[in-house]
Amino acid sequence: AQSVTQLGSHVSVSEGALVLLRCNYSSSVPPYLFWYVQYPNQGLQLLLKYTSAATLVKGINGFEAEFKKSETSFHLTKPSAHMSDAAEYFCAVRDTGFQKLVFGTGTRLLVSP
Amino acid sequence: DSGVTQTPKHLITATGQRVTLRCSPRSGDLSVYWYQQSLDQGLQFLIQYYNGEERAKGNILERFSAQQFPDLHSELNLSSLELGDSALYFCASSVGSLVGSEQYFGPGTRLTVT
Repeated sequence: AQSVTQLGSHVSVSEGALVLLRCNYSSSVPPYLFWYVQYPNQGLQLLLKYTSAATLVKGINGFEAEFKKSETSFHLTKPSAHMSDAAEYFCAVRDTGFQKLVFGTGTRLLVSP
Repeated sequence: DSGVTQTPKHLITATGQRVTLRCSPRSGDLSVYWYQQSLDQGLQFLIQYYNGEERAKGNILERFSAQQFPDLHSELNLSSLELGDSALYFCASSVGSLVGSEQYFGPGTRLTVT
């Protein structure tokens, strides 16, 4: 079965600093990978997705992620953090043979002024 | 706004009771998914419907059931509620059976069982 592991339940950065949220996947086939963001008391919003078209995927709000097969990673980055980026971020993989998403445990991003 | 609507937004009920959560997918989307988000279990897939038919089942309890109606809205029925059923329940929709199609999530229903 497919799975993803998010390293670090909390990540703290200063405003303007680089954001790096880590996600490693486990898959026996080329995976479909997603990053979602959840703001307090809201649903999940899709940031970006990887479907094998390109290894560097650009998403909304200045986020991007790079698929690295050799490292089985799909880390999320943003060059300069903004206060409004404070939220919980979830990495997810499409399960093999199904369309359901398997989510990681989430990483809470804290941005300080 | 994802285009997926869920009602009610909040629900408080007692143990042993039964509740129904409702979801309307985005216009044109045929697939509906239900997920449960709790502090101890994280985000867990419950069940998927595609154009009225059950397509996949996940960690859904026997006390829970769902259906998708001809107008494509879906309902998740939770019965004999227990304290541990308190969670956020999300509905998501996608265009259909395309493996790479993204899922769009509704705002969720927060269920509190007292």
